[in-house]
Amino acid sequence: DTAVSQTPKYLVTQMGNDKSIKCEQNLGHDTMYWYKQDSKKFLKIMFSYNNKELIINETVPNRFSPKSPDKAHLNLHINSLELGDSAVYFCASSSLAGGQGHEQFFGPGTRLTVL
Amino acid sequence: DAKTTQPPSMDCAEGRAANLPCNHSTISGNEYVYWYRQIHSQGPQYIIHGLKNNETNEMASLIITEDRKSSTLILPHATLRDTAVYYCIVRVHGSSNTGKLIFGQGTTLQVKP
Repeated sequence: DTAVSQTPKYLVTQMGNDKSIKCEQNLGHDTMYWYKQDSKKFLKIMFSYNNKELIINETVPNRFSPKSPDKAHLNLHINSLELGDSAVYFCASSSLAGGQGHEQFFGPGTRLTVL
Repeated sequence: DAKTTQPPSMDCAEGRAANLPCNHSTISGNEYVYWYRQIHSQGPQYIIHGLKNNETNEMASLIITEDRKSSTLILPHATLRDTAVYYCIVRVHGSSNTGKLIFGQGTTLQVKP
């Protein structure tokens, strides 16, 4: 069974469109994350939700809106897509209960290409 | 979170030990040292973490110096499948822990036949 899954794996779209990426984890974790890896391979945290509550919100344009309908899902909606949004987006999850959260499990990534 | 410094790239012969260094001279007392790796086109994968004692698991060993200002990840018998970018990260535990990982540039390890 896949621990952290993302859909779609590839997404090609035009500038100005709105798109969503979905993430699901079946590990029973209480915390989920979105990371962005750009063309230079830098991997940066964008958002994190703990028990459906936003706990990390890095300096990200407000065109990006995460939504966590429950602890097992964290979706990322992007409005008015721009060329610079082209990247690989990784979802991850961990358990922060007890102040630990040693290991984050990452999904396979969604490669977004904006034309 | 403290900053880490790693060499940008390293080579290792297949079957030999790969020793990946990391400097974290500004690490504070409640920060742990973590290692993740990212094999091409995949999501990062947790390897190991430690506070001050040396740690070993089925994947690797982590050696942390006594002053905790540097550490070394050891892959005892590197295989071609260990070719990846290896990230050394320091992260706080405890009540202020958000799980946030700050990735640097990492070390690209190339294992050669």
